[in-house]
Amino acid sequence: DAGVIQSPRHEVTEMGQEVTLRCKPISGHDYLFWYRQTMMRGLELLIYFNNNVPIDDSGMPEDRFSAKMPNASFSTLKIQPSEPRDSAVYFCASSFLGGPQNEQFFGPGTRLTVL
Amino acid sequence: AQSVTQLDSHVSVSEGTPVLLRCNYSSSYSPSLFWYVQHPNKGLQLLLKYTSAATLVKGINGFEAEFKKSETSFHLTKPSAHMSDAAEYFCVLFSGGYNKLIFGAGTRLAVHP
Repeated sequence: DAGVIQSPRHEVTEMGQEVTLRCKPISGHDYLFWYRQTMMRGLELLIYFNNNVPIDDSGMPEDRFSAKMPNASFSTLKIQPSEPRDSAVYFCASSFLGGPQNEQFFGPGTRLTVL
Repeated sequence: AQSVTQLDSHVSVSEGTPVLLRCNYSSSYSPSLFWYVQHPNKGLQLLLKYTSAATLVKGINGFEAEFKKSETSFHLTKPSAHMSDAAEYFCVLFSGGYNKLIFGAGTRLAVHP
């Protein structure tokens, strides 16, 4: 298995632009999580899905952020418009059964820089 | 309140010496606790997991952790450090009340020859 796949690995954009991050979970996993990692705030859960349905989006910082999971093998995290304070590493993770307390398998992350 | 405190932001050891990474937690529920490791430019990987079975939990790569309820601690240890252990380590609490993982701030482990 290829593991969790994220694209792009690096993204540099200018303030005000739309940014779309992509994630392909491990096949058969029914939970998908989006995290953000910054020096100041550490690792934060943004949103998670179960069977393609958003379960908890309380960590999404504001309306500029949106996430979708149109099918079991694909999810996107969109920021529109982007701001410099959105610069961070964004991780996608997936797990199988049992919810967030089961082992989560993390992708390599997308490093986003907003100028 | 649910929280995780990693007591050291940086730990430095010599290769072949023991490793101790300290973690305290606070939870209103019976906790599930994890240690995850993050190597540079990589995603996190599960090292080990405690879920109310044995209090001494063995993980991958020779790591183990002991759950001590009286001390609300879940320290990570390894008898002999290897250069490849250099990474950032996260103590993580599963909050049953919030149904999500709560991450500690991380401890960066450096291993010197």
